[in-house]
Amino acid sequence: SQTIHQWPATLVQPVGSPLSLECTVEGTSNPNLYWYRQAAGRGLQLLFYSVGIGQISSEVPQNLSASRPQDRQFILSSKKLLLSDSGFYLCAWSGGGRSNQPQHFGDGTRLSIL
Amino acid sequence: GQQLNQSPQSMFIQEGEDVSMNCTSSSIFNTWLWYKQDPGEGPVLLIALYKAGELTSNGRLTAQFGITRKDSFLNISASIPSDVGIYFCAGQLASNTGKLIFGQGTTLQVKP
Repeated sequence: SQTIHQWPATLVQPVGSPLSLECTVEGTSNPNLYWYRQAAGRGLQLLFYSVGIGQISSEVPQNLSASRPQDRQFILSSKKLLLSDSGFYLCAWSGGGRSNQPQHFGDGTRLSIL
Repeated sequence: GQQLNQSPQSMFIQEGEDVSMNCTSSSIFNTWLWYKQDPGEGPVLLIALYKAGELTSNGRLTAQFGITRKDSFLNISASIPSDVGIYFCAGQLASNTGKLIFGQGTTLQVKP
């Protein structure tokens, strides 16, 4: 069966520091991968998605970037964090190359910027 | 861009009551999905709907894909305290990217 792992679960970082959040998927190949941000009590905002290695699409202009160095690895990064980058970050995957595939989410990373 | 209007925004009900929530859109979707999110965790898929008019159940949960393909509802029967959480609808357009459009969520609280 397929599983998705995100780490770390919780992160506290000072303003201006770099960021690297990692997400890996097991049990499937060539998945579509997604990064979302969720503000407290709010809906999910899609940040990036990827349909293949090295293919990244950005949904909103922001202080973050994403990379997919391997088929089942998706990384969210920043060179200098802002206070507004605080939030709950979720990684998700779906079956690649086909439509109508549900997304499945990791357990998220709670990021607090001080 | 596309938006989903999910209502109600929040509900506070008594244990044992039935619950209904819905999502509407100006766009036509190929797929409707319903998720539940517990505090501090990622959303978990409850029900996936793939055909207009489709009615699908998962235990005490029932969801329907609207005939117009622009709406969907989720019903929970005989609510219990563990039903507490945030419920999200999501619509998916025909695309190999798998991108979803999410509703803003319905927060459900159940009083024992």
